[in-house]
Amino acid sequence: DVKVTQSSRYLVKRTGEKVFLECVQDMDHENMFWYRQDPGLGLRLIYFSYDVKMKEKGDIPEGYSVSREKKERFSLILESASTNQTSMYLCASSFPLQGAHEKLFFGSGTQLSVL
Amino acid sequence: DQQVKQNSPSLSVQEGRISILNCDYTNSMFDYFLWYKKYPAEGPTFLISISSIKDKNEDGRFTVFLNKSAKHLSLHIVPSQPGDSAVYFCAARVGGGFKTIFGAGTRLFVKA
Repeated sequence: DVKVTQSSRYLVKRTGEKVFLECVQDMDHENMFWYRQDPGLGLRLIYFSYDVKMKEKGDIPEGYSVSREKKERFSLILESASTNQTSMYLCASSFPLQGAHEKLFFGSGTQLSVL
Repeated sequence: DQQVKQNSPSLSVQEGRISILNCDYTNSMFDYFLWYKKYPAEGPTFLISISSIKDKNEDGRFTVFLNKSAKHLSLHIVPSQPGDSAVYFCAARVGGGFKTIFGAGTRLFVKA
């Protein structure tokens, strides 16, 4: 059974803190993604990676960075957390050769609250 | 500017009846459309998809219809079951691209 694991289910941080969200997949997928889910806005892409050490900005990258040192692991970093980064963060992975048929496999999400 | 729009935040249906979830898109370059289903405390899971060269795809109780001229797609669930209660996200992709663009989601309640 395929699995995408996010390290924390709930996280509470203070403004200005550096925050790390970790994601690990066991499917040997090349592509990995970070989305955030907000009410009324759906899922918005923050960053994605199509290979180790490769990263690309998504639609809302401001205030975030990412790291992919190993194929199975993709980290999202909030350099200085702010209250508007309070959200549900979802990690996903996919196998790229499906092309347009590509399906995303999601983790269970991390609910981050920044106080 | 949302490229994929789900204008109904919620929908309530009686068990056994049909659920119809709607989705509109603006980008004519999209060539693949997907529906994902999300339960509370879980990540979204893939449900069903359709290529832009088709107008209908069926998988058991789930059918997706695509009207390219209207830039509209819909998900039909027949018959609806209480276990179908979840948030449904419409999504779209451009072939060869990395991005999947999601709508805001529709919360479906199926009443027993």
